[in-house]
Formats: sequence, structure tokens, C-alpha cells
Amino acid sequence: DAGITQSPRHKVTETGTPVTLRCHQTENHRYMYWYRQDPGHGLRLIHYSYGVKDTDKGEVSDGYSVSRSKTEDFLLTLESATSSQTSVYFCAISATVQEGEQYFGPGTRLTVT
Amino acid sequence: GENVEQHPSTLSVQEGDSAVIKCTYSDSASNYFPWYKQELGKRPQLIIDIRSNVGEKKDQRIAVTLNKTAKHFSLHITETQPEDSAVYFCAASYSGGGADGLTFGKGTHLIIQP
Repeated sequence: DAGITQSPRHKVTETGTPVTLRCHQTENHRYMYWYRQDPGHGLRLIHYSYGVKDTDKGEVSDGYSVSRSKTEDFLLTLESATSSQTSVYFCAISATVQEGEQYFGPGTRLTVT
Repeated sequence: GENVEQHPSTLSVQEGDSAVIKCTYSDSASNYFPWYKQELGKRPQLIIDIRSNVGEKKDQRIAVTLNKTAKHFSLHITETQPEDSAVYFCAASYSGGGADGLTFGKGTHLIIQP
């Protein structure tokens, strides 16, 4: 597995609370991505980053924000968690856009009650 | 944006038989097509990929074919084994112009019957 870790691995939180998920990589890859995985929907892109402080929205970005202050860390924040954000969140990394290969972290299971 | 359709949603085959999973995509600009295998509770793992300048790629028991005209690509697994049981996802993206991420199909649950 590529050097990608996610923290926490499991979290239960209440509706309306802020939550931050962390993705950390040791591969020095430029591109980082956040996806969510829900039954019947596959994986859907939330936000992505193409460099330090460079981020953009994906398909399902509403209710989420991201930050990337260092190459190795990509943070996903739920400003005010809702039950619809209960999901498994995966971070992915990619070395170059030209090659395209993305490698996934172990995932974070988030439950919003 | 890109839309990827994947069929079937569940596929049950006898051990030793072949399995085929099919995907279609909508954006003719897409040029990179990976396949991921995900075991229960684990992360998606890249198992094979193909680019639009290639029609077929093989890696041991796994092969992927691409028909750009029909916007269709398929995963073929031969001589299936119990460890092939998993959920398989196809995806598509345009690489080379940006970092837009992958668009995934909804997955195929492959069951290998002993």
C-alpha cells in the first residue's frame, strides 16, 4: 500500500458539530483527493487538491471544505455535520495527472447521529 | 460532466469460470480507465488500467478491453478463484489537462461459487 494514512479511522458525532478528517501521505505526491462511499453510489469526489493551497470542488462538495497547507496533509472539514454525511470517506493520492493512477488510504467511517 | 454506468451490479460465477464486467462512459474526452477491487471493509485497490491509445491490456488472469467508438470498456477475469470475490469498480477520467479526479461506476459484487 502507498504511504497514506487517515485519521481518525472511526468517528461518531452529533448533528451540528464540526468534524475534521485528516489524510497524511509520505509519498510526496502532488495531487490529493477526498471521496465518499455510500451503498449504491460507488465513490464520489468531494474535493481535490493539485498543490499546496490549491484546491477545487468535486461532484458532491456542498457542506464540505478542505485545506492543504503542506504537501503531505489534506484536511476535510464538515462545518456542521448532518446525518446525510454519514459515510465512509477515502483519501487518494496521485503523483502526476498524466499517469492518472490514484492510490487510496484506508478510509474513515463517520457516523452522524 | 462524466457519467459511468456499470453492469451487472451482482455477478455470481462458478470457480474456474470467467467473469466479465462492463462499463460505459459519456465523455469522449476521457482517456484513462482504471479498475479497482475492494474487499469488505478495505480500501479500493487498483488492479489494472488502460489508456485510450490502447485497445486491450492483460495482466495474468485479468484483462481489460476498450472500445473508444462505443465508449465502452470491460474487465475480464479468467479461471476465477475464491479470492476474486469482492466488489469491482470501473472509473474514467481525463488525464493530462488537470486533476479532476475519477468518476466511478456504482460497482459490481462478484461472487465466486465453490
